[in-house]
Amino acid sequence: DAEITQSPRHKITETGRQVTLACHQTWNHNNMFWYRQDLGHGLRLIHYSYGVQDTNKGEVSDGYSVSRSNTEDLPLTLESAASSQTSVYFCASSEDPGNGYTFGSGTRLTVV
Amino acid sequence: QKEVEQNSGPLSVPEGAIASLNCTYSDRGSQSFFWYRQYSGKSPELIMFIYSNGDKEDGRFTAQLNKASQYVSLLIRDSQPSDSATYLCAVRSGGSYIPTFGRGTSLIVHP
Repeated sequence: DAEITQSPRHKITETGRQVTLACHQTWNHNNMFWYRQDLGHGLRLIHYSYGVQDTNKGEVSDGYSVSRSNTEDLPLTLESAASSQTSVYFCASSEDPGNGYTFGSGTRLTVV
Repeated sequence: QKEVEQNSGPLSVPEGAIASLNCTYSDRGSQSFFWYRQYSGKSPELIMFIYSNGDKEDGRFTAQLNKASQYVSLLIRDSQPSDSATYLCAVRSGGSYIPTFGRGTSLIVHP
């Protein structure tokens, strides 16, 4: 069965370190998205991609980057982790965002 | 700034009752409306979506749009304790490919 997987499930890192969160989907979806979810803020879009070599900034992209070298993967990199980036991160993919997303299981990141 | 507002709740209903969840949106040009269910500690799961041209019923779930008052509702008939979760509304406007999410409403169905 097709799926979307995120790794790791949990991560603790130190302030200032570079961190990469993985997202891999086997749906063959062109559209992939990264969100963070915090209490009181709901889901906020970080970056998204409509296909290979395409990346776009979302509403809270500062301090994050993504790259899209193939259809299956959209890794999210925190260049220099900050405590404000402690959050739950969700990756999502979609054949057509107009028809909704499929979310991965999430990564809980703690920056200490 | 396109806004999507939901009452955070919790909305508490007895088992077997109808749960009614509402979501208001600011962009009158919104075209697609989504409802996701999120259990505690889990990821959001798409329940259903509707376009601006009509309502939809899927089993115990019904999504209804009131364009004049700019809100969309999710009705859950015969509510079950397993329906207890946070329900996220998302709205996509005509000018964007990306939906805006509300903060979610917590629903508690008690036996």
